[in-house]
Amino acid sequence: DGGITQSPKYLFRKEGQNVTLSCEQNLNHDAMYWYRQDPGQGLRLIYYSQIVNDFQKGDIAEGYSVSREKKESFPLTVTSAQKNPTAFYLCASSTGTGELFFGEGSRLTVL
Amino acid sequence: AQKITQTQPGMFVQEKEAVTLDCTYDTSDQSYGLFWYKQPSSGEMIFLIYQGSYDEQNATEGRYSLNFQKARKSANLVISASQLGDSAMYFCAMRDFSLAYQGGKLIFGQGTELSVKP
Repeated sequence: DGGITQSPKYLFRKEGQNVTLSCEQNLNHDAMYWYRQDPGQGLRLIYYSQIVNDFQKGDIAEGYSVSREKKESFPLTVTSAQKNPTAFYLCASSTGTGELFFGEGSRLTVL
Repeated sequence: AQKITQTQPGMFVQEKEAVTLDCTYDTSDQSYGLFWYKQPSSGEMIFLIYQGSYDEQNATEGRYSLNFQKARKSANLVISASQLGDSAMYFCAMRDFSLAYQGGKLIFGQGTELSVKP
């Protein structure tokens, strides 16, 4: 079945550590996205990529980094520079004109 | 700047009744698309329905319909015959097609939490 796989589902991090969230899609979509969701809030765009080896900052990119070395993969690194990283992270992909297809999300907690 | 506003943080509806979830949007552009997503407590985002700005008829998908009023910049979601499984967060989102090289990103509202009572 085609879809988006995010891992891990739950992740705990100590302050000062970098962590990487994985996102893989087999939908053959060109565009991929990372959103952050805080409790009771909407989704805010962190980074997006329209094509391999290219990506753009979204509204809240500070403290995050991404790479797009393969069409299927768009990992997100939450760096120690992100002051409040505890949140629910959602990865998505699309053709660029249709709806976004989402993964099941990764919940990051900073201890 | 584009903006999506959902003014109802929470809504209650009796099972089998219809409910309307409000969404207003702000854009100065003519070409855009409006989406509704459902987010159950598990966290996944489920696409429900889409309306293009040039679509003359309101979109419908099963029990979901979109009440699109372009002049008022509103795109309300109507759920008919509510079911217990409809209890979830609902998000309205917009894509502005007139923005070049934006990668098809969506801007989301704050969401409405719908609770269906038996």
